[in-house]
Amino acid sequence: SQQGEEDPQALSIQEGENATMNCSYKTSINNLQWYRQNSGRGLVHLILIRSNEREKHSGRLRVTLDTSKKSSSLLITASRAADTASYFCATDAPRNSGGSNYKLTFGKGTLLTVNP
Amino acid sequence: SQTIHQWPATLVQPVGSPLSLECTVEGTSNPNLYWYRQAAGRGLQLLFYSVGIGQISSEVPQNLSASRPQDRQFILSSKKLLLSDSGFYLCAWGTGKPYEQYFGPGTRLTVT
Repeated sequence: SQQGEEDPQALSIQEGENATMNCSYKTSINNLQWYRQNSGRGLVHLILIRSNEREKHSGRLRVTLDTSKKSSSLLITASRAADTASYFCATDAPRNSGGSNYKLTFGKGTLLTVNP
Repeated sequence: SQTIHQWPATLVQPVGSPLSLECTVEGTSNPNLYWYRQAAGRGLQLLFYSVGIGQISSEVPQNLSASRPQDRQFILSSKKLLLSDSGFYLCAWGTGKPYEQYFGPGTRLTVT
């Protein structure tokens, strides 16, 4: 079953604006990660947030995690045309929830378009 | 530093033909290896993963198989391709802890 679901499916903004993408999941998690995929390319890991963390920053990226709502958000500040890509969240579940140390479950992604 | 290679980058194959996609990782030992498939505009579907040589776990029953003949080599195969096998195939590696995965450039497979 699909664990992560991103929202919105597509987002179009102007350069310089902030972009916010959301991810919801169904079961308890160990960690939640965000990945980026440029068209026709492999995924690139952006940031990982652990289940006991609430917020994490990396450059222009800010990730929040609300385990009570089973949701996460990715904020990209001062967006650039080069940020145009699909963004995916991925979760790994604790072993007592049927997870393993090895598998991630990805959502369907948000397609972000940043217009110059 | 670690690198991951996939080939070929693009492949067009007729229905019923065999398939072999190869993935190799450099710069790390005993990685966990993964094959994913991505349909157009969709998320990633985990097909197989391997935690060691000869150890393959299948996630979804289908027309594909995987093998890991060497520590840093992962192969995705099919004896007879179906139209529904078309898609973008991604290989990834990880160490299990931390939980990040690192992806290859992908193979675009079109079955005609």
